[in-house]
Amino acid sequence: DQQVKQNSPSLSVQEGRISILNCDYTNSMFDYFLWYKKYPAEGPTFLISISSIKDKNEDGRFTVFLNKSAKHLSLHIVPSQPGDSAVYFCAAFPLTGANSKLTFGKGITLSVRP
Amino acid sequence: EAGVAQSPRYKIIEKRQSVAFWCNPISGHATLYWYQQILGQGPKLLIQFQNNGVVDDSQLPKDRFSAERLKGVDSTLKIQPAKLEDSAVYLCASSLGTGLWGANVLTFGAGSRLTVL
Repeated sequence: DQQVKQNSPSLSVQEGRISILNCDYTNSMFDYFLWYKKYPAEGPTFLISISSIKDKNEDGRFTVFLNKSAKHLSLHIVPSQPGDSAVYFCAAFPLTGANSKLTFGKGITLSVRP
Repeated sequence: EAGVAQSPRYKIIEKRQSVAFWCNPISGHATLYWYQQILGQGPKLLIQFQNNGVVDDSQLPKDRFSAERLKGVDSTLKIQPAKLEDSAVYLCASSLGTGLWGANVLTFGAGSRLTVL
């Protein structure tokens, strides 16, 4: 049962353009969402997060949008750079509950073409 | 600040053999996690420790997997006997705590890639 879904396995964009990575979730108890970035042969690294009380969070070139009613979030990278080429994981967790744990999606492989 | 250290980075074994992975978290991080990442999938939590106590091991195949964090610092994950489907990257991560804003910002190690033949 995939509670966090990243339905597009890959995305290719031109350098300088916008990259939009989508994520959907099914568990309405999730109220904190994170994006992790992973390069080959390295562990995932935290990129940006958003809580359910917000609909947007921005950090430099990275912006995450949250649509709670649609159970959808997206990561925008503007402008995209070749160094952004990596696998991006969407993750979510509920703040309440006995065993609050992070649930990851399958990841999206982003390729930024020079 | 030193990151999360894991060893070995790579291990190849035959099915039914045993293997152990070691993890040293970031100093001061009370919570330690072991994740399994199978190719093409997202990381799946195997076990979570808070200091040296187990918080969640609901997805750990306890008939073959075991993990310990005896002194509340470093941890070992063992698989015995290994099966072909255990081929994956085993990621260790740590965080300051649980259930708090920012506490689920995990810092991951580079992982230990296991191949079972």
